[in-house]
Amino acid sequence: EDQVTQSPEALRLQEGESSSLNCSYTVSGLRGLFWYRQDPGKGPEFLFTLYSAGEEKEKERLKATLTKKESFLHITAPKPEDSATYLCAVQAGDSGYSTLTFGKGTMLLVSP
Amino acid sequence: ETGVTQTPRHLVMGMTNKKSLKCEQHLGHNAMYWYKQSAKKPLELMFVYNFKEQTENNSVPSRFSPECPNSSHLFLHLHTLQPEDSALYLCASSQGGPGEGYTFGSGTRLTVV
Repeated sequence: EDQVTQSPEALRLQEGESSSLNCSYTVSGLRGLFWYRQDPGKGPEFLFTLYSAGEEKEKERLKATLTKKESFLHITAPKPEDSATYLCAVQAGDSGYSTLTFGKGTMLLVSP
Repeated sequence: ETGVTQTPRHLVMGMTNKKSLKCEQHLGHNAMYWYKQSAKKPLELMFVYNFKEQTENNSVPSRFSPECPNSSHLFLHLHTLQPEDSALYLCASSQGGPGEGYTFGSGTRLTVV
C-alpha cells in the first residue's frame, strides 16, 4: 500500500527565515511526486511534479527536490503570503491510471 | 479560476435530505475524481471516472452516489447522510495518464446537521 508521511505537521516561521518541509513516501514504482499548495477554504493548487531521484524544480521562493525515499520543499526567505498548507502526493507505477495518494500536509504560517 | 468549477460552495443539509454536488471541467480532461477532505486527515479518494466509466469506488457508503453523464460533468448525489460526513468535498480532473497531476476545484463545504 502506498504511504505518504509529511513533517512537520505545522511550522511557524518569521518572514525571511528559510526552512524545509519533508515528504517521505513508500510506493511500488514511483510515477510522479506532486506538491500542492492549499489556502483555507480552497482546493489544492498545483506547484510541482518530480519524476526521478535527483530532480529539482523551482518556482519563486520554492524549490522541490526528490530522492528515492523522500522529497523536500525548500522555502527561501518566505513572505506572509506563503502561509498555506502544503500537500505532497505520489502516483504509483502499479496503477492503470492516474490516482494520487496524499499526505496529511504541513500547515505553514509566516509571520511579518 | 482553475478550469474546474464546483457548486454549491457551501451546503447545509439535514440527515433526511437529498442533495447533489456538481462539478464541471473546461480543460478537456478525460478523468474526473471525487475526494473527501476532513480535518487532520489526508485527502480520501472516493470515486474515479475515466472516459465516463467508473473505474474506482473506494469503499464509499451507498449514501454517496456518483454520476458522470459526460467527460465534462460529474455529480455526487447525497442522501441520508450522517454528521461525520461533514467535510470539504473536492472535485478534480486530469488527462488520466501516468505522471499527470490533478486540477482541483474550490470544493463544496458540506455540513450535515
